[in-house]
Amino acid sequence: DGGITQSPKYLFRKEGQNVTLSCEQNLNHDAMYWYRQDPGQGLRLIYYSQIVNDFQKGDIAEGYSVSREKKESFPLTVTSAQKNPTAFYLCASSIDVGGYSTDTQYFGPGTRLTVL
Amino acid sequence: AQKVTQAQTEISVVEKEDVTLDCVYETRDTTYYLFWYKQPPSGELVFLIRRNSFDEQNEISGRYSWNFQKSTSSFNFTITASQVVDSAVYFCALSERGKLIFGQGTELSVKP
Repeated sequence: DGGITQSPKYLFRKEGQNVTLSCEQNLNHDAMYWYRQDPGQGLRLIYYSQIVNDFQKGDIAEGYSVSREKKESFPLTVTSAQKNPTAFYLCASSIDVGGYSTDTQYFGPGTRLTVL
Repeated sequence: AQKVTQAQTEISVVEKEDVTLDCVYETRDTTYYLFWYKQPPSGELVFLIRRNSFDEQNEISGRYSWNFQKSTSSFNFTITASQVVDSAVYFCALSERGKLIFGQGTELSVKP
């Protein structure tokens, strides 16, 4: 089955620790995205990547880092510099046929991160 | 700046009622795309519809229908004969240059 997988589903972290959230897709999509969702709010873009080895900051990139070494994978690291990391994190991907893609983004099941 | 407003935070209806979720957007672009997503309690966002700014025809898909009105910058979503399985948070989103701007979401509760 084609789709987007995220792991783990739930993640607990102690303050001061870095954690990495996994996102893998087998849809052969070029573009991948990370969003953060806080309770009662919409999604906010953290980082996105339109091609391997390239990525851009979204609206709330501070305290986060990403890598895009493979087309299928776009892991997100939540660093200790992120002041309020407890949230629901969603990964998405899209075909991205051009430089300014407006293709539909398809989402993974999400990872719920809690800082203890 | 782009903005998406979903003024209804929560809506509660009884099964079989029709319900309309409102979405109003702001953009300076002439070319843009609008989306609706459904987020059930499991958390995953499910794509429902994508509409470009040049296509103002209303769309119907089963019990779902969408009313796009450029003159009022609105893209409203109607569920006819609602069912308990429609209970979810629904997000409207505006896209420009590949980035999605989401509204705050409307939580729909359909009671039996």
